[in-house]
Amino acid sequence: TQLLEQSPQFLSIQEGENLTVYCNSSSVFSSLQWYRQEPGEGPVLLVTVVTGGEVKKLKRLTFQFGDARKDSSLHITAAQPGDTGLYLCAFTSGGYNKLIFGAGTRLAVHP
Amino acid sequence: DAGVIQSPRHEVTEMGQEVTLRCKPISGHNSLFWYRQTMMRGLELLIYFNNNVPIDDSGMPEDRFSAKMPNASFSTLKIQPSEPRDSAVYFCASRLLTGSNQPQHFGDGTRLSIL
Repeated sequence: TQLLEQSPQFLSIQEGENLTVYCNSSSVFSSLQWYRQEPGEGPVLLVTVVTGGEVKKLKRLTFQFGDARKDSSLHITAAQPGDTGLYLCAFTSGGYNKLIFGAGTRLAVHP
Repeated sequence: DAGVIQSPRHEVTEMGQEVTLRCKPISGHNSLFWYRQTMMRGLELLIYFNNNVPIDDSGMPEDRFSAKMPNASFSTLKIQPSEPRDSAVYFCASRLLTGSNQPQHFGDGTRLSIL
């Protein structure tokens, strides 16, 4: 059973389109992290959200943490081919140290 | 700054052989993690160390898997004997132990193929 459910699993869009991916759980988290993984590389941290209802922006990426701290979303505006990759959400467990990852959303942005 | 360094980047070997994966964490980081990533199961934590001491190895799939961290700048993950179902990308990550939201920094992984 996945503690974190990510949707959609796959997303294929054209350059310039907007998109939203989701990370949902029945559990409450003290924080959630979003990572992006490009082919042939390890995941790289994009953002950490901590406060319920929090919104963080990173250029064209907007991250939101749900009010109840059970879910999070990532919205990309005007997607570019460089946004292609696997987007993973994760929460910390075991005294802050252990990261549990969702299965990820695999995004392909076509020119 | 040098990131997490893993070697080899690719390994192809026959089943039954011993496989050793290596990791050099970021200097100063005192927490180290080994993950395995497959299409079917995603990114799974195998084991992690704090200050070179194994803390949680509940993700290690079988006794064929072992990990060591003899010092703060080096860790190994060993599979003996290897099986085809061990084929995956293995990642090492490190972070500072202090602070609940310190990011984990990942290496580029070792792509392991067991024939």
